[in-house]
Amino acid sequence: ETGVTQSPTHLIKTRGQQVTLRCSSQSGHNTVSWYQQALGQGPQFIFQYYREEENGRGNFPPRFSGLQFPNYSSELNVNALELDDSALYLCASSVRQGTQYFGPGTRLLVL
Amino acid sequence: GQQVMQIPQYQHVQEGEDFTTYCNSSTTLSNIQWYKQRPGGHPVFLIQLVKSGEVKKQKRLTFQFGEAKKNSSLHITATQTTDVGTYFCAGLNPSYKLSFGAGTTVTVRA
Repeated sequence: ETGVTQSPTHLIKTRGQQVTLRCSSQSGHNTVSWYQQALGQGPQFIFQYYREEENGRGNFPPRFSGLQFPNYSSELNVNALELDDSALYLCASSVRQGTQYFGPGTRLLVL
Repeated sequence: GQQVMQIPQYQHVQEGEDFTTYCNSSTTLSNIQWYKQRPGGHPVFLIQLVKSGEVKKQKRLTFQFGEAKKNSSLHITATQTTDVGTYFCAGLNPSYKLSFGAGTTVTVRA
């Protein structure tokens, strides 16, 4: 059991809408990383948060944004949803750059 | 940017046989990590290799990091049905970004 939780587990949205995904990190972890995993692909790094600051970003447009809160939980926000945003969104928590432990993910379907 | 490639994409194995999956990076890595994702599940950390030429074993799984720290392999002996899933390697570059390969999906014939 990793201790990382994500909500919701599944979500259906339509193009142009906005979505917020949530992640609670494992106890004692101060870093949260977000990934997008399209069907049949490996997870793609979106960004990482450390002590409430963005600490690295992958090749995702600005409509992908995030937050980390003082308790180290995190949110991923996606604006102006596109069909290609349909994917499994994973968060992973760690102690700084240590081993990352993944949550169960949120499956987003954009229609 | 850094690219991590894995081969083969699919591995169909007879129960009891051995197989190897390979991982190659376009750049030198700080470390390489391996994850396993069961169908419908999320990636689960297996192991991390840090040193050049490092070899680590976990029961029937043997992981190796190349001398140049640009490639890695996972060898599974006596494959069991519990080995079914997708195995990902992920390279950590000096900027601490984790780049995943596309994975090797393993199916087992009983």
